[in-house]
Amino acid sequence: DAMVIQNPRYQVTQFGKPVTLSCSQTLNHNVMYWYQQKSSQAPKLLFHYYDKDFNNEADTPDNFQSRRPNTSFCFLDIRSPGLGDAAMYLCATRFDGGGREPQHFGDGTRLSIL
Amino acid sequence: DAKTTQPTSMDCAEGRAANLPCNHSTISGNEYVYWYRQIHSQGPQYIIHGLKNNETNEMASLIITEDRKSSTLILPHATLRDTAVYYCIVRAGGGSNYKLTFGKGTLLTVNP
Repeated sequence: DAMVIQNPRYQVTQFGKPVTLSCSQTLNHNVMYWYQQKSSQAPKLLFHYYDKDFNNEADTPDNFQSRRPNTSFCFLDIRSPGLGDAAMYLCATRFDGGGREPQHFGDGTRLSIL
Repeated sequence: DAKTTQPTSMDCAEGRAANLPCNHSTISGNEYVYWYRQIHSQGPQYIIHGLKNNETNEMASLIITEDRKSSTLILPHATLRDTAVYYCIVRAGGGSNYKLTFGKGTLLTVNP
């Protein structure tokens, strides 16, 4: 009964070829996050959606975009992947009701660039 | 957000308690201490969080010093499956700006 689902677990794309990673949740959480985690590094936040409001981190490259068509789904689009974009991409969700609720993570999609 | 300092790595014998320290000397009054862990090839997993009182759940205990400048995560009976990177994160709560900043964490290795 996975609650934050990322498909596929492994994705291979070619240099410069657009790629989309998907995340879905069964928790009905209002906040969804995307993180990038490179090998042997900590996760780094790219952006998040608070309800329908998109919040981009200042240092996230323009090459990375996101869409959230409804509460349950969120997509990460990489317009022209470079070799440096090879990483694990993690999706997380959170219910913000004014409290201190934690984030719930999926198991990630590992992206390889050929 | 307040910065945290954790040891790079620690070892623990299976069945013994694992005590993972975290320093957060610049923590402010409204910031909580969160602990997550990441087992290899999986996403981070929430463990526990607290403000100033000690907390316990089915996974672990969190001990926060009275001055709140440091804390310790305790896994009472470590198993091989507890081998993971443990992240201590300090964050004020709620709202649209709530987000986690992960540091380098502590790699805990539980040995048979």
